[in-house]
Amino acid sequence: EPEVTQTPSHQVTQMGQEVILRCVPISNHLYFYWYRQILGQKVEFLVSFYNNEISEKSEIFDDQFSVERPDGSNFTLKIRSTKLEDSAMYFCASEGGAGYGYTFGSGTRLTVV
Amino acid sequence: KNEVEQSPQNLTAQEGEFITINCSYSVGISALHWLQQHPGGGIVSLFMLSSGKKKHGRLIATINIQEKHSSLHITASHPRDSAVYICAVAKTSYDKVIFGPGTSLSVIP
Repeated sequence: EPEVTQTPSHQVTQMGQEVILRCVPISNHLYFYWYRQILGQKVEFLVSFYNNEISEKSEIFDDQFSVERPDGSNFTLKIRSTKLEDSAMYFCASEGGAGYGYTFGSGTRLTVV
Repeated sequence: KNEVEQSPQNLTAQEGEFITINCSYSVGISALHWLQQHPGGGIVSLFMLSSGKKKHGRLIATINIQEKHSSLHITASHPRDSAVYICAVAKTSYDKVIFGPGTSLSVIP
């Protein structure tokens, strides 16, 4: 069964550093999403992406964050100047449209120290 | 008020018991997802429903669109079913998913 792949599975970074989280969505999917889950809390929406542009973003997704589809396969989330409160599990998801399902990646655990 | 609620918040069951987890939502939806999250943190999709009932192995998911309610049932529960089960809804196709708070299930041998 097709999978959404995320790398790395775990990243530790120093406060103030930039991180890039990578996702490879399912190849024929057109809609891409990033979510995050702070430890002990529910999963929250960050941003959705379609046709090479952001279609919706949450209040959390401020100027510190950016997303990009640098080539035909990768979908990245960049966090500039990380803060301690950015420590969370970050999930990528892709959707192929009606009937084609919504698939989550296994997540990247980001720890900011 | 949260758009997606789940009950119970925590559930402990003996191996072999029949388990039901409930989800209620307050918005119109195009689809409802049941997801499983193990202690390692990864999310696994169990079901995506827009009507009726789906079954996969020992898992059954039902949805009542009129009542804005869904249930996830686990028959003959097993310790490996121990995980957090999350209900999540999408208001339309090609839309973000709104997550419930999750139900933490522990199945004791």
